[in-house]
Amino acid sequence: AQTVTQSQPEMSVQEAETVTLSCTYDTSESDYYLFWYKQPPSRQMILVIRQEAYKQQNATENRFSVNFQKAAKSFSLKISDSQLGDAAMYFCAYRSAPYNNNDMRFGAGTRLTVKP
Amino acid sequence: DTGVSQDPRHKITKRGQNVTFRCDPISEHNRLYWYRQTLGQGPEFLTYFQNEAQLEKSRLLSDRFSAERPKGSFSTLEIQRTEQGDSAMYLCASSLALGASGSQNEQFFGPGTRLTVL
Repeated sequence: AQTVTQSQPEMSVQEAETVTLSCTYDTSESDYYLFWYKQPPSRQMILVIRQEAYKQQNATENRFSVNFQKAAKSFSLKISDSQLGDAAMYFCAYRSAPYNNNDMRFGAGTRLTVKP
Repeated sequence: DTGVSQDPRHKITKRGQNVTFRCDPISEHNRLYWYRQTLGQGPEFLTYFQNEAQLEKSRLLSDRFSAERPKGSFSTLEIQRTEQGDSAMYLCASSLALGASGSQNEQFFGPGTRLTVL
């Protein structure tokens, strides 16, 4: 079964600085999707960024980018120019390719604090 | 409102009581998912529907749990004879059916129903 590990329960960053959140996963599949979700306090989870395993190029979305290392099964999230609104729980998630099962596996999360 | 909605947002119940939660997905989404999230953990998959068909159930979904999506629109999750271990946030998400484009696979989450079993 696929597992997702986030080894940093908490991280903090100074406003305007850069922070990297770590995620590793375990799978025997070759085709899958990886996601980073953000869950602000008392608010719903929203998708931050997505990476398809077959793509070698790392995904980027404005200030958010990933470092996808398929061989190492690593998928870290870099947040540049951190803002106060980035404070939230961040979850790394894995999902098999569409023709396999459909459930998403989440890590335990990293709580990010942004200091003004 | 074009997002996923859930009702109620909070539910407090006594052990042994039955509870039912509702999820209204984004209207054009034919896939609907239920997750459970306990404190300090990521969401855990419970079950999902494509239209009205329940296609997959997790081992976490014991016999006390039942989910329905009778008309392929809203869904209900019922927990019978609640136990203190059922206390958690229950999240609903929806998506379009899977296609060639990865963007169709994005799951949109609702705000969740927080259940407290006393």
